[in-house]
Formats: sequence, structure tokens, C-alpha cells
Amino acid sequence: DAGVTQSPTHLIKTRGQQVTLRCSPISGHKSVSWYQQVLGQGPQFIFQYYEKEERGRGNFPDRFSARQFPNYSSELNVNALLLGDSALYLCASSPSPGTAYEQYFGPGTRLTVT
Amino acid sequence: KQEVTQIPAALSVPEGENLVLNCSFTDSAIYNLQWFRQDPGKGLTSLLLIQSSQREQTSGRLNASLDKSSGRSTLYIAASQPGDSATYLCAAHSLNDYKLSFGAGTTVTVRA
Repeated sequence: DAGVTQSPTHLIKTRGQQVTLRCSPISGHKSVSWYQQVLGQGPQFIFQYYEKEERGRGNFPDRFSARQFPNYSSELNVNALLLGDSALYLCASSPSPGTAYEQYFGPGTRLTVT
Repeated sequence: KQEVTQIPAALSVPEGENLVLNCSFTDSAIYNLQWFRQDPGKGLTSLLLIQSSQREQTSGRLNASLDKSSGRSTLYIAASQPGDSATYLCAAHSLNDYKLSFGAGTTVTVRA
């Protein structure tokens, strides 16, 4: 079975622009979470979605938004990009939001804001 | 708020030596603790998941222990190989929380 997939792999944006990142979970997984990892730090939680509903939100500004589609794939949108948004964006999937489940991560999208 | 710390930040060992990686967390009310491996610029690969009711979990050369009362987990890698060179992250999944709380990781270099 395919693992978690993310697209694009890399992208470069200019300050003030908007970006959309995409994630497809493992088949059968209904929960998707998004994390931001700045170089040299551990990932920081942004959002979790389950059955198209937001189940959790981290300490990120309203410029960050996400949604989940009926096929359980997800998009993360970031508006008005800042230099500090440069990071590796990771998507994780699990069968449900239940905390007993192992989280499986995708390869990430490397965002560079210039 | 759960705080996860990994010490040391970096570690260099000769090939064949056993590795001991430490992880501490401030809130012992966790569902589970997960260890990950991350290669430079890549995503996270799950290594081991320890449920709160377990004391340890093993997979091949890897063994992870969990002591909730002291807020500590340890990842042991036996007979290290150059291919084990990577950053290892631990993450705690707290009760009544949707997210994983990560440490900053320990970067391991195994010298041939």
C-alpha cells in the first residue's frame, strides 16, 4: 500500500503570496494532521482533521487554514506569506483521531519564502 | 502544556557501539510515546510506538523503554551502523490532546 503522499515536494514563494499544500493519507485512514518543522527544531502541530471536521488547532495565526475532502485528502493554505513561514510542512495520517493509533508521516513539502 | 526534551542534541559514535538516546516529558498523562527517524530534508519514519500501559517495545536492533512516573523514554540501538546516522525524534501523545508534542531531536553520526 502507498504511504502518505504530499505535493509539491518543493516550492519557492515570495513574501505576501499565498500557497496551497496537498496531502493524501494512507488508504483507510480518516484523520489527517499538519505540522510545521523549522530547521533544527521538532515539528509543531498546526491542524488535525477527521471526517472533514477540524478537531484541533495549534498556536498558528489565522493566515493558516486547512480543509479535508470527502476522500480524506487535505489541503493546507497559507496566506500573506512571511519569511518565517519557510519550513518543512509535514502531513500525518492515522485511522482515527484516537490517540492509541500510530501516526504515519509523509515526505513533507519544503517551502521557501524569499 | 506538554514539553518534550531530548539530550544530547548531537552524538557521534564509532561503528559497532550501542546508542542510547534520551527523551523526557513533563506531563506523565500520556496515551503513548512514538520514536521517529528523520534523514536530512526528509519526512519522519516511525520506528516504535509505546503505549502508556507498556514498559518497552522492541523491533530488531531497536528497543525503546517508557517510564511514565519519571517522564522518561530511552531508545537503544544495538551495534550501530553508518546507515543509522540520522536525527531521532521522540513525540508524546498527551491525554485529551489531538497532537503529538515533539522534542527537537538527537542527531546521530556513526563513524565507519
